[in-house]
Amino acid sequence: LAKTTQPISMDSYEGQEVNITCSHNNIATNDYITWYQQFPSQGPRFIIQGYKTKVTNEVASLFIPADRKSSTLSLPRVSLSDTAVYYCLVGAWNQGGKLIFGQGTELSVKP
Amino acid sequence: DTEVTQTPKHLVMGMTNKKSLKCEQHMGHRAMYWYKQKAKKPPELMFVYSYEKLSINESVPSRFSPECPNSSLLNLHLHALQPEDSALYLCASSQTTSGDSYEQYFGPGTRLTVT
Repeated sequence: LAKTTQPISMDSYEGQEVNITCSHNNIATNDYITWYQQFPSQGPRFIIQGYKTKVTNEVASLFIPADRKSSTLSLPRVSLSDTAVYYCLVGAWNQGGKLIFGQGTELSVKP
Repeated sequence: DTEVTQTPKHLVMGMTNKKSLKCEQHMGHRAMYWYKQKAKKPPELMFVYSYEKLSINESVPSRFSPECPNSSLLNLHLHALQPEDSALYLCASSQTTSGDSYEQYFGPGTRLTVT
């Protein structure tokens, strides 16, 4: 399973766009990139998943360059309720559903 | 219903006690998971059940004993735990352990304190 590296923490203000970059230099050909969000004392929640280029849903966008060695989670116009830990995961389903969480990025949104 | 429920919410137990954590989902998922999360750390996978059979055991000590009585229920039996086992125990489920989605649904967790 590819190792991921993310910033430990980030600060932002309400209404700003936040971009969290994850490095995964050893990503394998059949690996997907997945992001989870976790609020204090709650279980993680799936945000978005992608393989290449750009993926967008109602919550976030995921940008993956052609070499796939990094990815960027983009949260548009954050609010105080987006304060959470964001985890980047890389892996493939032939690993039996095994999710290995990296250290995560603690995002703090200020008013 | 996209909810995974876990009981109890909090549990305090002594090192000689036997207790069980329970997890339930009614999404028709055939894969269920136990994770352990220490404060300020990421969740760590403990066990994976696929179609009610244990498919992954991440070298977890035998004082943790998982059980999957049916496709909706997952238990974690605890016996002779140590204080360092105090953590948030998370249950999750997914449609299967294969496919093209890494979406797992997590419950709120059981906060376990071992005294």
